[in-house]
Amino acid sequence: KQEVTQIPAALSVPEGENLVLNCSFTDSAIYNLQWFRQDPGKGLTSLLLIQSSQREQTSGRLNASLDKSSGRSTLYIAASQPGDSATYLCAVGLSGQNFVFGPGTRLSVLP
Amino acid sequence: DAGVIQSPRHEVTEMGQEVTLRCKLISGHNSLFWYRQTMMRGLELLIYFNNNVPIDDSGMPEDRFSAKMPNASFSTLKIQPSEPRDSAVYFCASSLWEGGGYTFGSGTRLTVV
Repeated sequence: KQEVTQIPAALSVPEGENLVLNCSFTDSAIYNLQWFRQDPGKGLTSLLLIQSSQREQTSGRLNASLDKSSGRSTLYIAASQPGDSATYLCAVGLSGQNFVFGPGTRLSVLP
Repeated sequence: DAGVIQSPRHEVTEMGQEVTLRCKLISGHNSLFWYRQTMMRGLELLIYFNNNVPIDDSGMPEDRFSAKMPNASFSTLKIQPSEPRDSAVYFCASSLWEGGGYTFGSGTRLTVV
C-alpha cells in the first residue's frame, strides 16, 4: 500500500527566504506526482504535475523535483512571500488509478 | 472552462436527513473522484469513476453513502441518513484517465447537527 509523508508538518519563515518542502512515498511504481496548495477554507489548487519520466517541473518561483528510485519529491519556493502562506500537499498518482495524498505542510511566511 | 463545479458550497442539515452533493466535471475529463477532508483524517478518497463506471468504492464509509454518474459530466454523492460524524468538506476532482493530474472543485462544507 502506497504511503505518502511530508516533512516538515509546519514551517514558519521570514519573507524573502528560499525554502524546500519534502514529500516521501513508499512505492516507487508511480504514474506521476502532483503538488497542490490549499488556502484555509478553500479547495485545492494544482501547482505542478510531474510525470514519472520527468525529473522536475518549474512554474515561476516554484520548482518541483522527482526522484522515483529514492521515493522523494521536493518543492522549492524561491523568494517566499506572505501570499505563499498556505498548506502544501503532494499527491502520488498510482498507475491508472488515483492519487494518494500526503498530510501536507503548513507554511507561514512572515512579513 | 469554468473548472469543476460543486454545489451547494455549504449545507447544514439535521441528523437523519438525506443530503445530496453535486459535481460537474471539466469538459473532456473522463475520471471523477470524490474526497472527504477532515482535520483528523485529512483527505480521504471515497470513490472514483472512469467513463461513468465506478472503479473503486472501497473508501465509502458505510452503506449510507452512495454515488452516481448519470452522464459523463455530472455526479452526485448522497448520504442517507446523515449523521453528525459525516460533517466534513467534500471535494470532487476530475482528470483524464491518462494521467493529466487532478482539478479540484471548491468543495461542499457539510455540517450535520
